[in-house]
Amino acid sequence: ETGVTQSPTHLIKTRGQQVTLRCSSQSGHNTVSWYQQALGQGPQFIFQYYREEENGRGNFPPRFSGLQFPNYSSELNVNALELDDSALYLCASSLEGKDTQYFGPGTRLTVL
Amino acid sequence: GENVEQHPSTLSVQEGDSAVIKCTYSDSASNYFPWYKQELGKRPQLIIDIRSNVGEKKDQRIAVTLNKTAKHFSLHITETQPEDSAVYFCAAIRAYSGAGSYQLTFGKGTKLSVIP
Repeated sequence: ETGVTQSPTHLIKTRGQQVTLRCSSQSGHNTVSWYQQALGQGPQFIFQYYREEENGRGNFPPRFSGLQFPNYSSELNVNALELDDSALYLCASSLEGKDTQYFGPGTRLTVL
Repeated sequence: GENVEQHPSTLSVQEGDSAVIKCTYSDSASNYFPWYKQELGKRPQLIIDIRSNVGEKKDQRIAVTLNKTAKHFSLHITETQPEDSAVYFCAAIRAYSGAGSYQLTFGKGTKLSVIP
């Protein structure tokens, strides 16, 4: 098991609501990436944070935003939820300048 | 951007046989290729990786090969066991400029079933 944790494990929201997902990186890892994994698909890159700043973004709209804190924990915020946002959201942490990423257990988001 | 194709989408093998999963990538700048195993309801777990300066890497029953010219890489599992049953994902790293900026692009996954 990696040292990456996520909360909550599961979440149910309705269309139009906002959600905040949390990730605690492995000790010493100052880079965190967020991925969306739809059912039966591979994870898709949302964005990456390094030293509390966004440092790369995939093809996701601005209503997906994030924060990284000095203790390397991070948040993924999604506004104006849509049904298609239902997915497993994974965070992955890595050491500065290293490409190996270690995943957390994910948060299963269901939008009704 | 990078595009990773993975085949087959499903694979069934008898216990003890070998399994091979193949991936191709499009971005010649990609230079790191990890493989993840994901069991149902669990996190993707890194099982092996390879960098572009290496053609082959082996770890016990698992090996990965890389052909940079053809832009494809493969996962080989020998002497398969029932606990190898899972979804396997290949991925490629596209490095952006700037420190620590690495974006994983995943294939769609291969569901491996090992039949006892």
